[in-house]
Amino acid sequence: GESVGLHLPTLSVQEGDNSIINCAYSNSASDYFIWYKQESGKGPQFIIDIRSNMDKRQGQRVTVLLNKTVKHLSLQIAATQPGDSAVYFCAETFSGYALNFGKGTSLLVTP
Amino acid sequence: DAGVTQSPTHLIKTRGQHVTLRCSPISGHKSVSWYQQVLGQGPQFIFQYYEKEERGRGNFPDRFSARQFPNYSSELNVNALLLGDSALYLCASSGKGQAGETQYFGPGTRLLVL
Repeated sequence: GESVGLHLPTLSVQEGDNSIINCAYSNSASDYFIWYKQESGKGPQFIIDIRSNMDKRQGQRVTVLLNKTVKHLSLQIAATQPGDSAVYFCAETFSGYALNFGKGTSLLVTP
Repeated sequence: DAGVTQSPTHLIKTRGQHVTLRCSPISGHKSVSWYQQVLGQGPQFIFQYYEKEERGRGNFPDRFSARQFPNYSSELNVNALLLGDSALYLCASSGKGQAGETQYFGPGTRLLVL
């Protein structure tokens, strides 16, 4: 079946650097994409979303880029802080309501 | 404002037992979705309910069932528990559960089946 996947299982960055987390999706019909952050012992926390009619969307210190040609999604975090350490999931809707998640990328911010 | 709440936070059961997990959505949200998250993986969609009706179901056996109440809270029931049902069960709420609508997650219920 079609699925959402992540390129790297772990990412280590230094505090203050920018982080880029990548995600590939295979369902060309997907029209809504979301990034979630999940800290240990907690539920996923919404970060930012983007619809398929957009290429880029910015939030506070975060930017999501969508490349529909190669079915690739990325999350950029500016000036990464220790509190950004978590597992990041991309998700997409394939049925209009159910979210299809990838396995996640673990981001570790070192001082 | 209160977010999505779930109870209990942790639960230990033995194989063959059944379990009921509860979820209260964000105030004003009418749709509740349930997800199972096995350790080290992303959440997997189980059900979505809107206005007490099941809108969709993921690839889970009939041992899994759910319902939504008039106040939009929801219960997830799992019968004949298997060791493989050990996971974090997440509830997410959204306004109408429509495409392109953000789903907000609760803290989850961690179920351990022995």
